[in-house]
Amino acid sequence: SQTIHQWPATLVQPVGSPLSLECTVEGTSNPNLYWYRQAAGRGLQLLFYSVGIGQISSEVPQNLSASRPQDRQFILSSKKLLLSDSGFYLCAWGQGAYEQYFGPGTRLTVT
Amino acid sequence: QKEVEQNSGPLSVPEGAIASLNCTYSDRGSQSFFWYRQYSGKSPELIMFIYSNGDKEDGRFTAQLNKASQYVSLLIRDSQPSDSATYLCADVGGADGLTFGKGTHLIIQP
Repeated sequence: SQTIHQWPATLVQPVGSPLSLECTVEGTSNPNLYWYRQAAGRGLQLLFYSVGIGQISSEVPQNLSASRPQDRQFILSSKKLLLSDSGFYLCAWGQGAYEQYFGPGTRLTVT
Repeated sequence: QKEVEQNSGPLSVPEGAIASLNCTYSDRGSQSFFWYRQYSGKSPELIMFIYSNGDKEDGRFTAQLNKASQYVSLLIRDSQPSDSATYLCADVGGADGLTFGKGTHLIIQP
């Protein structure tokens, strides 16, 4: 069966510091991978998606970036965090244009 | 750009009753929808998928899609306190991800 991992589970970072969040999927190959952010009181916002290694599409221009160095690894990064980057970051995987399954998430607080 | 609208609630339902959750969507061409359940502090989990007009039943859950009126609903029969959560409606947009509503907060009162 498929499993999706995210780490760390929680993170507190000062403004201006770098960020690296990692997501890995097991039990499937060539998945579509997604990064979402859920800010307090707001809905899920799609940040990036990837249909293959090295292929990244950005939905929202911001100070975040994503990379997919391996088939089942998806990384979300920032060089300098802003207060507005606080939120619950969710990685998801899917096959084709159908259902998506979410990882456990990373709760990021920027102070 | 696709939009999905949901009443944020909270929707309070007594235990054992039917909970009815609704969402409306903007894209007339949308074909498929998901319902996710999200407990406080946790990630969303997929509970239902519907892609054709009419009803789809899975245990205590029934999803309904009305393409003419552009709304999707989720019925939960015999509501239990463990059903208390936020329910997210999502429009399937293809490989570029899902368009989510902001969710309806459901409270089942014992």
